[in-house]
Amino acid sequence: GAVVSQHPSWVICKSGTSVKIECRSLDFQATTMFWYRQFPKQSLMLMATSNEGSKATYEQGVEKDKFLINHASLTLSTLTVTSAHPEDSSFYICSARDGSGGSRPQFFGPGTRLTVL
Amino acid sequence: GNSVTQMEGPVTLSEEAFLTINCTYTATGYPSLFWYVQYPGEGLQLLLKATKADDKGSNKGFEATYRKETTSFHLEKGSVQVSDSAVYFCALSDQASGYSTLTFGKGTMLLVSP
Repeated sequence: GAVVSQHPSWVICKSGTSVKIECRSLDFQATTMFWYRQFPKQSLMLMATSNEGSKATYEQGVEKDKFLINHASLTLSTLTVTSAHPEDSSFYICSARDGSGGSRPQFFGPGTRLTVL
Repeated sequence: GNSVTQMEGPVTLSEEAFLTINCTYTATGYPSLFWYVQYPGEGLQLLLKATKADDKGSNKGFEATYRKETTSFHLEKGSVQVSDSAVYFCALSDQASGYSTLTFGKGTMLLVSP
């Protein structure tokens, strides 16, 4: 149980185009989903938190107009990188949690590697 | 604010050696503590967790004890295997933010040789 999938697992796009990444909780309802960005050999940086049916809450320094997050259902959240540039190339990881409370763990997707040419 | 400090890696061990990866934290209130493992090219997997002081989390031979007095959550394994080679992240979560977000350490790479 507690499986989170991401699609695609990797994507290469041209500069200026937009890319959508999907995050799905396969066997539970995800009240909250999180999006992280990970640079090579570094830790995860939380980009935003989204609750189903609500607007996402972005961390300081993350451009909400560039990284559009939609959490339309309890099993799906999407991250759209708009007008992507080479500096947006990174490993994007989503996680999901069923219910609130700090003791409930987040379950992570396998990640999506984005390369912008 | 919250923070998690892990020992810098890489940690290089021979198979069957004893492993310790240190983790200390700073947090308000009573956080929950986690260890996650990331294998090359993959996302994070929850390895173990502890939700209150003196709790011991354990899984796949790994264990860690929540020590409130020393604000630590060190990861240990008695005999490592080559397949344990990965990056290990210590993390905490509390209610202070209102969203119970995770704060991660920088990760410690473990390399186990045959």
